[in-house]
Amino acid sequence: AQKITQTQPGMFVQEKEAVTLDCTYDTSDPSYGLFWYKQPSSGEMIFLIYQGSYDQQNATEGRYSLNFQKARKSANLVISASQLGDSAMYFCAMREVTQGGSEKLVFGKGTKLTVNP
Amino acid sequence: GAGVSQSPSNKVTEKGKDVELRCDPISGHTALYWYRQSLGQGLEFLIYFQGNSAPDKSGLPSDRFSAERTGGSVSTLTIQRTQQEDSAVYLCASSLNEGTGTARYEQYFGPGTRLTVT
Repeated sequence: AQKITQTQPGMFVQEKEAVTLDCTYDTSDPSYGLFWYKQPSSGEMIFLIYQGSYDQQNATEGRYSLNFQKARKSANLVISASQLGDSAMYFCAMREVTQGGSEKLVFGKGTKLTVNP
Repeated sequence: GAGVSQSPSNKVTEKGKDVELRCDPISGHTALYWYRQSLGQGLEFLIYFQGNSAPDKSGLPSDRFSAERTGGSVSTLTIQRTQQEDSAVYLCASSLNEGTGTARYEQYFGPGTRLTVT
């Protein structure tokens, strides 16, 4: 079963408008973390925002905010005032800690965002 | 400061040959990760190193894959007897894994090595 689900393969938004990228997750661990990464066509993975499962408030970083709904197991990324440079693949990921104490990120399949002028 | 670096940036090899991919993590980062990204897909976890502890190799797809980390810093991912399905971008990341807050968990990624097996 998929642990991170991104249901939108592609999204389009007009420049200066806001856009929400969906992410749902599945875990039985009470302690976890959720990330969003941006991957432009150049290929590098750029960290955007992090939300811990115990964080009381939704995370925000500049134009990025995370709409964290724990009961629904969703962690949607909201980008406000979209810019042409926001066009990229966006990946949602969850931090997993194994019984042995090792950590890894489990990624969704990504959403390709295109910002139109 | 310097970010995560990887070499080579591109590697084309013939099927059956061995390849070595190198990763230099951010200085002071105790955790190092290798991921693989196939065309149009998300990232697949391969292996995790934390300090001097034994690595978590649970994500390695076959025994042709191995990795080591010398002196708690530089890491090498080795693929023996490469197959065409090994073609992918191999990404390395490092993280602090200590302290509090977001910085502890944030993984910084290198630019990746694009491997093509012909």
